[in-house]
Amino acid sequence: DAGVIQSPRHEVTEMGQEVTLRCKPISGHDYLFWYRQTMMRGLELLIYFNNNVPIDDSGMPEDRFSAKMPNASFSTLKIQPSEPRDSAVYFCASSLGGGVGQRFFGSGTQLSVL
Amino acid sequence: SQQGEEDPQALSIQEGENATMNCSYKTSINNLQWYRQNSGRGLVHLILIRSNEREKHSGRLRVTLDTSKKSSSLLITASRAADTASYFCATAGLSGSARQLTFGSGTQLTVLP
Repeated sequence: DAGVIQSPRHEVTEMGQEVTLRCKPISGHDYLFWYRQTMMRGLELLIYFNNNVPIDDSGMPEDRFSAKMPNASFSTLKIQPSEPRDSAVYFCASSLGGGVGQRFFGSGTQLSVL
Repeated sequence: SQQGEEDPQALSIQEGENATMNCSYKTSINNLQWYRQNSGRGLVHLILIRSNEREKHSGRLRVTLDTSKKSSSLLITASRAADTASYFCATAGLSGSARQLTFGSGTQLTVLP
């Protein structure tokens, strides 16, 4: 199994630009999570899906952030417009059969907004 | 908050020594998990211990859970340079809600060759 796959690994953009992060979860997993990691705030849960349906987006910081999961093998996290304070590492994770079990993380996208 | 907090924030040891990291939390839990994060990589699950368990082993890892003290410890025996990483505990709330798996701020372990 290839694990959770995220792209791109690094993204550098200018303030005001749209950023789209992509994630392919492990096949068969029914939960998908988007996290953001910064030195100041640690690992924060932004949103999670169960069976492709968004369940809890209370961690999404602003309306500039949106996430979709059009099918079981693909999800996107979009930031529009991006701001320097959005600079962070964004992780996607997936899990099987339960919200509080083991989570499998991707390698992350390092986002820098200049 | 359910969030676990690791102690110490940073730990530096010599190769071959044992490393012990602690995690404390505030309210009752369903389970507690430990993860490792190598620099520039995602988190990797190490071990899950349920609230009715007291100790679990996996290779060189030993995890204990004391629910009366609301604390857990992760022991890495005979450490290696490759164990250098950040270690996070994650506590799962009783509701079973996926949102209630919250991560601490981590312990940075450095193993010197």
